[in-house]
Amino acid sequence: GENVEQHPSTLSVQEGDSAVIKCTYSDSASNYFPWYKQELGKGPQLIIDIRSNVGEKKDQRIAVTLNKTAKHFSLHITETQPEDSAVYFCAVINDYKLSFGAGTTVTVRA
Amino acid sequence: SQTIHQWPATLVQPVGSPLSLECTVEGTSNPNLYWYRQAAGRGLQLLFYSVGIGQISSEVPQNLSASRPQDRQFILSSKKLLLSDSGFYLCAWSFDGATNEKLFFGSGTQLSVL
Repeated sequence: GENVEQHPSTLSVQEGDSAVIKCTYSDSASNYFPWYKQELGKGPQLIIDIRSNVGEKKDQRIAVTLNKTAKHFSLHITETQPEDSAVYFCAVINDYKLSFGAGTTVTVRA
Repeated sequence: SQTIHQWPATLVQPVGSPLSLECTVEGTSNPNLYWYRQAAGRGLQLLFYSVGIGQISSEVPQNLSASRPQDRQFILSSKKLLLSDSGFYLCAWSFDGATNEKLFFGSGTQLSVL
């Protein structure tokens, strides 16, 4: 299946600062790139996604950028708040199935 | 609106015992259904998916099996659990057809095999 690498594995930020998580993928034919947020003891929830025909998408404090040439995409969280603390997963669609990154544990310090 | 129910939330089972985890979806018809496993500190591994009743695709060889006896019911089973089956199991669904990329996850089952 698709090889998705996600970095960093852990990220600690001061409240109000920005957080950036990056993922790289291997299949140049991939065209859908979602991000999921998983809070402790719960299932992941889709927070934002992007398709290959655009380079950036924003939803309030969350944005995703895509570089198809370099085969990487990133999640940007601005003005972080305590409720942003969670595990974040990137994913790539390949052969109609999603392949997930290993996850990034984000901790927002008050 | 659509909802997904998964139970139990936690389960402790001895090695060699059977397993049955159930997942149901409400508010939609003919969903695609998925079972994922999440090992501690790792990503989500797709175990099985189903595009219709009785249609099961397995992604990795393992000690587990899946069944879809009804349109919106997905069951994960094992005849004899192994220690390595411990993990967090997630059921998910997506819409049928072209918009099937977006997954909606259940709340998960934490399985501990002792």
